[in-house]
Amino acid sequence: KAGVTQTPRYLIKTRGQQVTLSCSPISGHRSVSWYQQTPGQGLQFLFEYFSETQRNKGNFPGRFSGRQFSNSRSEMNVSTLELGDSALYLCASSLTGGSPEQYFGPGTRLTVT
Amino acid sequence: KQEVTQIPAALSVPEGENLVLNCSFTDSAIYNLQWFRQDPGKGLTSLLLIQSSQREQTSGRLNASLDKSSGRSTLYIAASQPGDSATYLCALLSSGTYKYIFGTGTRLKVLA
Repeated sequence: KAGVTQTPRYLIKTRGQQVTLSCSPISGHRSVSWYQQTPGQGLQFLFEYFSETQRNKGNFPGRFSGRQFSNSRSEMNVSTLELGDSALYLCASSLTGGSPEQYFGPGTRLTVT
Repeated sequence: KQEVTQIPAALSVPEGENLVLNCSFTDSAIYNLQWFRQDPGKGLTSLLLIQSSQREQTSGRLNASLDKSSGRSTLYIAASQPGDSATYLCALLSSGTYKYIFGTGTRLKVLA
């Protein structure tokens, strides 16, 4: 069974640009969550999507947005990039309901210059 | 507000030692607690998942326990090996918000 995949793996952008990251969950998983990981703040929850709807949201500005498609694949978009957005962005998928186990992808390393 | 703390932040031990990593949380209203390992620059690998109703889980040389009343979970690693060197993170699924909250991590180095 294929794991969670994320593309691209590495990305370099300039301040003010926007970026889109993609996540394909494990087959059969309908919940996808996004996290930002930085040395200073650790792992912080961005949002969770289930059945194409945002089910939960962390405390990030509106520049961070996402969506989920009918095949459960998810994209995350960051507009008007800032230097502080440089981070490892991780996506996790899980089965729905109850108390599911999360499975993480390898992450996308975003560098903003 | 749920807070998750991991102590120590870093640990260095000689190969073969048994060791314990700690994870403390302030609110016992959780669905589950999951332990992960993360190698530098990589994603997270799930090690063990403990449901709220369980007290412990075991996988190979790893054993994780959960004590909700004291707000504590421990990850026990037996006979440590250099390949165990990584950052270990605990995360819990909060009952109130249905959000995963991560601890600060323990960076483990096992010396050959």
